[in-house]
Amino acid sequence: AQTVTQSQPEMSVQEAETVTLSCTYDTSESDYYLFWYKQPPSRQMILVIRQEAYKQQNATENRFSVNFQKAAKSFSLKISDSQLGDAAMYFCAYRSRPSGTYKYIFGTGTRLKVLA
Amino acid sequence: ETGVTQTPRHLVMGMTNKKSLKCEQHLGHNAMYWYKQSAKKPLELMFVYNFKEQTENNSVPSRFSPECPNSSHLFLHLHTLQPEDSALYLCASSQAFGEANYGYTFGSGTRLTVV
Repeated sequence: AQTVTQSQPEMSVQEAETVTLSCTYDTSESDYYLFWYKQPPSRQMILVIRQEAYKQQNATENRFSVNFQKAAKSFSLKISDSQLGDAAMYFCAYRSRPSGTYKYIFGTGTRLKVLA
Repeated sequence: ETGVTQTPRHLVMGMTNKKSLKCEQHLGHNAMYWYKQSAKKPLELMFVYNFKEQTENNSVPSRFSPECPNSSHLFLHLHTLQPEDSALYLCASSQAFGEANYGYTFGSGTRLTVV
């Protein structure tokens, strides 16, 4: 069975600085998706970025980028130029790639505080 | 507007009450999900519906009863709940099959407190 581990319950970053959130996962599959979701105080989970395991290039979305290390089963999220609006819970998630298998496995989350 | 709307936003109910949570999406998605979010735990998948058919029940107690009358609506009927059922209940939707899978679209959840 797949597992997702986020070992940092809480992180802090100064506004405008860079922070990296860690995620490791365990799977025997070779093809899958990985996601980072953000949950602000409004509670709605928002997709931040996704990565297909078969792609070697790390995904980037504006100030958000990932460091995907497939062999190490690591999927960290880097937030550059942190803003106050980035403060939220961040969840790492795994999903098998084959169609029809649409269960997501989530980590326990990392609470990110942004200090002014 | 998130695309997935959940009502009510907050719910307080006694252990003998019967209540229902509602989820609605008009994104053209054909898979819908109920998740339970408790503090310091991973999100727990409860139920999955694919084209209105329940395809997964993740060992959820029978005091939780889902209903999916069509691909746009999902309900979670609650009865004789326990205090440990207090949590944030999240609904999500997605495309069920194919490569067009950009992740879930979540609602804002219902904060349930059982007293």
